Amino acid sequence: EPEVTQTPSHQVTQMGQEVILRCVPISNHLYFYWYRQILGQKVEFLVSFYNNEISEKSEIFDDQFSVERPDGSNFTLKIRSTKLEDSAMYFCASGSAGSLHEQYFGPGTRLTVT
Amino acid sequence: AQTVTQSQPEMSVQEAETVTLSCTYDTSESNYYLFWYKQPPSRQMILVIRQEAYKQQNATENRFSVNFQKAAKSFSLKISDSQLGDTAMYFCAFILNFGNEKLTFGTGTRLTIIP
Repeated sequence: EPEVTQTPSHQVTQMGQEVILRCVPISNHLYFYWYRQILGQKVEFLVSFYNNEISEKSEIFDDQFSVERPDGSNFTLKIRSTKLEDSAMYFCASGSAGSLHEQYFGPGTRLTVT
Repeated sequence: AQTVTQSQPEMSVQEAETVTLSCTYDTSESNYYLFWYKQPPSRQMILVIRQEAYKQQNATENRFSVNFQKAAKSFSLKISDSQLGDTAMYFCAFILNFGNEKLTFGTGTRLTIIP
C-alpha cells in the first residue's frame, strides 16, 4: 500500500540555523500539506500546495517558512532561521484529486531546536 | 471559521468493553467531511474513519463506528470490543468539501485501554 514518507525522523538543530524537512507524497497525489504539532497540543495546519504554488497558508506560516516541490516527487518545508518555539512534530500529508477530503499523513519529523 | 471541540481530554476503559469519544464542531457550511484520526505513541497520524455530511447513514469500519448528528453538529466515535492496541490519542477533524481545503483538528482525547 502506498504511503507518505518523511525524512529525517528526528532533527536536532541550533537556534538560528536553517532546516529542511523532506516528504515524499503518494505518487499520484496532487495536493500536499504541512501540519505541525507542538508536544501535547493539537495538530495545526501550516500550508497547502497545489499545482506548484501555495493554495493556503496559516498565520503560523510566516516569512521564515517556505515550501517547494523541487523534482516532482519530493515536497520540502524549509525553516530559515529556527526558533525555540519551532520545536514540534511536523507532518506532511497528501491527497488525490479524486478524494480531496482524505489526507494521508506521513510518520512525521520531530524537530528539536536548542 | 470552523472549530472542533473534544471535551474529554482523557478516558480509560477495560479491554473488551465499549467506549465512546465525543466531538462537536461548528460551521456555517453544509458540505463537509468529518474524520477520526488515531495517534499511537509512535505519533503517526492514522485515519480511522470518515463521514460525509450529506450521508445520513453513520459510517462503520469494523469495530469503529460513528454517531453523526448533523443538526446537533455532533460526531462521536464508538469503539467496540476495545483492544490494547487501541490505546492512543484520538483526534476529531473537519474539512470543507470545497477543493484543496485544510483539516481542522480538535484537541484530542487520550484513550487508555486497561488490560
